[in-house]
Amino acid sequence: KNEVEQSPQNLTAQEGEFITINCSYSVGISALHWLQQHPGGGIVSLFMLSSGKKKHGRLIATINIQEKHSSLHITASHPRDSAVYICPPSGMRFGAGTRLTVKP
Amino acid sequence: DAGVTQSPTHLIKTRGQQVTLRCSPISGHKSVSWYQQVLGQGPQFIFQYYEKEERGRGNFPDRFSARQFPNYSSELNVNALLLGDSALYLCASSLRGLEQYFGPGTRLTVT
Repeated sequence: KNEVEQSPQNLTAQEGEFITINCSYSVGISALHWLQQHPGGGIVSLFMLSSGKKKHGRLIATINIQEKHSSLHITASHPRDSAVYICPPSGMRFGAGTRLTVKP
Repeated sequence: DAGVTQSPTHLIKTRGQQVTLRCSPISGHKSVSWYQQVLGQGPQFIFQYYEKEERGRGNFPDRFSARQFPNYSSELNVNALLLGDSALYLCASSLRGLEQYFGPGTRLTVT
């Protein structure tokens, strides 16, 4: 059984679109990461959230610990946002993530 | 400040050999985690060490082992290599196992 479920698994968008990636988890956690991995590249930590909302540039992440749900939003998407986005609970399991492709 | 460093960046081994991968955490970080990422899949958790003690272990065979040194650097050892061990091995460090900072990885190819 997966502790973390991400949706969608694959997402293709046009440049400029607003994008949402969702993450739901079945275990109680205290914090959650949003990570970005470009093809062939290393992993970059975008956010670590334990409550509320965080914003960095065009990226916004929200979390509701009680509802065990987190979302990553990308405003005005750009082809350079094309990557795999992963949301592991703090420290442990990873899913395969959401593969995002933004077309010009 | 230097980020998480890993060595080597690439290596090629043959089946049955043993390999040691190294990780140096960010200065001040006491927790190191190891992940295996097979091509096309998300990273899979292998081990977490905090203050030189194993704090978590993923679903990997006993061929995989690790340790953390007094300076908080870490080594991942894999014995009796199999073709399926070919992957990117990622190390991440954190202060107390919370926000993790990833190294560039070591790409292992087993032939």
